[in-house]
Amino acid sequence: QKEVEQNSGPLSVPEGAIASLNCTYSDRGSQSFFWYRQYSGKSPELIMSIYSNGDKEDGRFTAQLNKASQYVSLLIRDSQPSDSATYLCAVNYGGSQGNLIFGKGTKLSVKP
Amino acid sequence: DAGVIQSPRHEVTEMGQEVTLRCKPISGHDYLFWYRQTMMRGLELLIYFNNNVPIDDSGMPEDRFSAKMPNASFSTLKIQPSEPRDSAVYFCASSLGLAIKVQYFGAGTRLSVL
Repeated sequence: QKEVEQNSGPLSVPEGAIASLNCTYSDRGSQSFFWYRQYSGKSPELIMSIYSNGDKEDGRFTAQLNKASQYVSLLIRDSQPSDSATYLCAVNYGGSQGNLIFGKGTKLSVKP
Repeated sequence: DAGVIQSPRHEVTEMGQEVTLRCKPISGHDYLFWYRQTMMRGLELLIYFNNNVPIDDSGMPEDRFSAKMPNASFSTLKIQPSEPRDSAVYFCASSLGLAIKVQYFGAGTRLSVL
């Protein structure tokens, strides 16, 4: 059973702080990793993808991947109230499979 | 591109009725996915298609659920008969190719079965 685990939160941080979101996955065969943001009542939207070990930065967002420890993280610098949302971690196990396995999400609240 | 288009956006029906949800993927995408999202279970994959062919339907809860993709630009998810526990948000997503696996989601259909 391939699983993706996230702390459900809520994670509360003050405006301007760094928010750190974590995700672990069960299968070492995983090849692609994604972070989706979902505002309440809206659909998930892709914010970051990462495929190799290390850090990947995009604006205020940094994704970190450690395949040996089987975890993925998302850092949000200078957090804004508009970042308040649920963040979903998704993992693809590669091969001929097209599907992603999603975690249940971490709810982030950024307080002004 | 208009993105993934789902209809209807909201559906309210009574237990026992047939419900049909519709999806138009992004043009050129060869994968199409149906998900169900609830507070308790999160986002669950129900079924996905590659080039209109169902690849994995192991997430379909039971025989009351069926999905079809008659062509590259249209898919349906049908529930017959519907039950109150089917109440959820149903998302359709599409993606291109094998390598990247980035999925783009539609706005979803909020289904309420009374």
